[in-house]
Amino acid sequence: SQTIHQWPATLVQPVGSPLSLECTVEGTSNPNLYWYRQAAGRGLQLLFYSVGIGQISSEVPQNLSASRPQDRQFILSSKKLLLSDSGFYLCAWSHDRGDEQYFGPGTRLTVT
Amino acid sequence: AQKITQTQPGMFVQEKEAVTLDCTYDTSDPSYGLFWYKQPSSGEMIFLIYQGSYDQQNATEGRYSLNFQKARKSANLVISASQLGDSAMYFCAMSLGNYKLSFGAGTTVTVRA
Repeated sequence: SQTIHQWPATLVQPVGSPLSLECTVEGTSNPNLYWYRQAAGRGLQLLFYSVGIGQISSEVPQNLSASRPQDRQFILSSKKLLLSDSGFYLCAWSHDRGDEQYFGPGTRLTVT
Repeated sequence: AQKITQTQPGMFVQEKEAVTLDCTYDTSDPSYGLFWYKQPSSGEMIFLIYQGSYDQQNATEGRYSLNFQKARKSANLVISASQLGDSAMYFCAMSLGNYKLSFGAGTTVTVRA
């Protein structure tokens, strides 16, 4: 069966510091990968998706970037965090476009 | 642009009773998929059920069923025989067959013993 991992689970970072969140998927190959952000009490906003190694599509221009160095690894980064980057970050995967997406446990980021 | 509307911010339901969560959507595309997810307090999004726009029958998965009314553009989730573990936030989402899932604002369900 497929599993998706995210780390760290929680993170507190000062404004202006860098960020690296990692997501890995096990038990499947060539997954589509996604990064979402959820503000407190709100729905999810798609940030990036990737259909293959090195292929990144950005949905919302912002202070963040994403990379996919391996088939089942997806990384969310920032060079300098802003207060507005605080939130709950969820990674997800799917077999194909339009399919249901399966989510990881999420990373709660607080920028102070 | 596609849009998902969940008008119920919060609902209370008695244990063992059924509850219906409303979801309406707006798209002019004839091909789309509708999804429901559950988000407990731990934060993880759990996929519950899927309905395709061309599916003739309403989707069911255990205690979850989707009341799909295409002409009204609604896709309500029905949870039967509620359990305490059903207390969570529930999100309706839509895909137009591309890579993007558009989510509604969510409905918080609290099951009372």
